[in-house]
Amino acid sequence: SQKIEQNSEALNIQEGKTATLTCNYTNYSPAYLQWYRQDPGRGPVFLLLIRENEKEKRKERLKVTFDTTLKQSLFHITASQPADSATYLCAPREGGKLIFGQGTELSVKP
Amino acid sequence: GAVVSQHPSRVICKSGTSVKIECRSLDFQATTMFWYRQFPKQSLMLMATSNEGSKATYEQGVEKDKFLINHASLTLSTLTVTSAHPEDSSFYICSAQGLAGETWETQYFGPGTRLLVL
Repeated sequence: SQKIEQNSEALNIQEGKTATLTCNYTNYSPAYLQWYRQDPGRGPVFLLLIRENEKEKRKERLKVTFDTTLKQSLFHITASQPADSATYLCAPREGGKLIFGQGTELSVKP
Repeated sequence: GAVVSQHPSRVICKSGTSVKIECRSLDFQATTMFWYRQFPKQSLMLMATSNEGSKATYEQGVEKDKFLINHASLTLSTLTVTSAHPEDSSFYICSAQGLAGETWETQYFGPGTRLLVL
């Protein structure tokens, strides 16, 4: 069956460091993969989209990579700030639908 | 751009009553809207997909007579939880996808509606 796995444990890092979040998927061939941020009690906010023919995408302090051979996406936040603390969701898109991972909770300490 | 609103943000109702949740795309036309449900500390689960002017397509295990979806215009979709019971208590989130460009490739989410059934 189709499956998405993100870092199961919460990620705690120090302010200024780079946070790296992992998303692995199985039994999918997504045309796109999207990353969202979700704060408690709020809907997800779109961050970045990467297509299957793109290896890397950047936006300000964010970087996403997409390896279709490994079936993995990595999400990086450089120069992290306490305001980056949230849950980050990976969502491959296939057939017009997004399938969400369980999310990785990131906590950036000052 | 690409703003989606939901109303109400929070609703408490008695068991057996029906609750309607509205989802609006404010600055783009949404040909497709999606309804999700999220339990605490869990992932978003897709309930149904609705296209403007068509009947919604429900995911396996979602009762279509329980969760009525209407997508009457390109900017509005509604979800009605009929005869709500405590087990329907959850966080309901809609998303919208547009016709072209960035809004076609990406789903933009509303802020969510917290439903509590007593």
